[in-house]
Amino acid sequence: DTGVSQDPRHKITKRGQNVTFRCDPISEHNRLYWYRQTLGQGPEFLTYFQNEAQLEKSRLLSDRFSAERPKGSFSTLEIQRTEQGDSAMYLCASSSRQGGTGELFFGEGSRLTVL
Amino acid sequence: GQQLNQSPQSMFIQEGEDVSMNCTSSSIFNTWLWYKQDPGEGPVLLIALYKAGELTSNGRLTAQFGITRKDSFLNISASIPSDVGIYFCAGQEKETSGSRLTFGEGTQLTVNP
Repeated sequence: DTGVSQDPRHKITKRGQNVTFRCDPISEHNRLYWYRQTLGQGPEFLTYFQNEAQLEKSRLLSDRFSAERPKGSFSTLEIQRTEQGDSAMYLCASSSRQGGTGELFFGEGSRLTVL
Repeated sequence: GQQLNQSPQSMFIQEGEDVSMNCTSSSIFNTWLWYKQDPGEGPVLLIALYKAGELTSNGRLTAQFGITRKDSFLNISASIPSDVGIYFCAGQEKETSGSRLTFGEGTQLTVNP
């Protein structure tokens, strides 16, 4: 399978704990995105990388959230001191600069439940 | 911030019927895309539109990029049970540093056999 891969698919944690999600993009894609989706809503942009550089962050990305893409391949999204409001599906997507503008390919998501 | 208004919110149809849904924005978009999402899965790209007035088909799906660049519609012809899911429109305002997409709130489609 050469699509976008996310791990874990599901995470249940207690409030105050830290969680980390991993995303492996499509191998030839140099752009990687993180989105958050709550029930009944469309995905909301969190942050974007081109290669290893984090080029844009949404206001939704509070200081408890940090994302990295150290070698320009996989990425991690860490949430520190989780709150119940962090419960959501965290989606990763990738795209190629050479591809059609805006054609993002999404992974299956990591669903977070904060108790 | 930018918002996309997608309608209808939900649709209940019989197998074989045609479906139409649309999306409008308050700003001009350079790109419109339509995605389908099944429960517990990530969105899957259906159709991408790049030029005002463009009409593009993908099997039984047809989508158009409105000439004002502020709207788009998606039609599904001869619906089948596997068309069930949530359909999202998404738009890109301009070639920003990241091709960031703004999503609508989705149209939940139910197809009765």
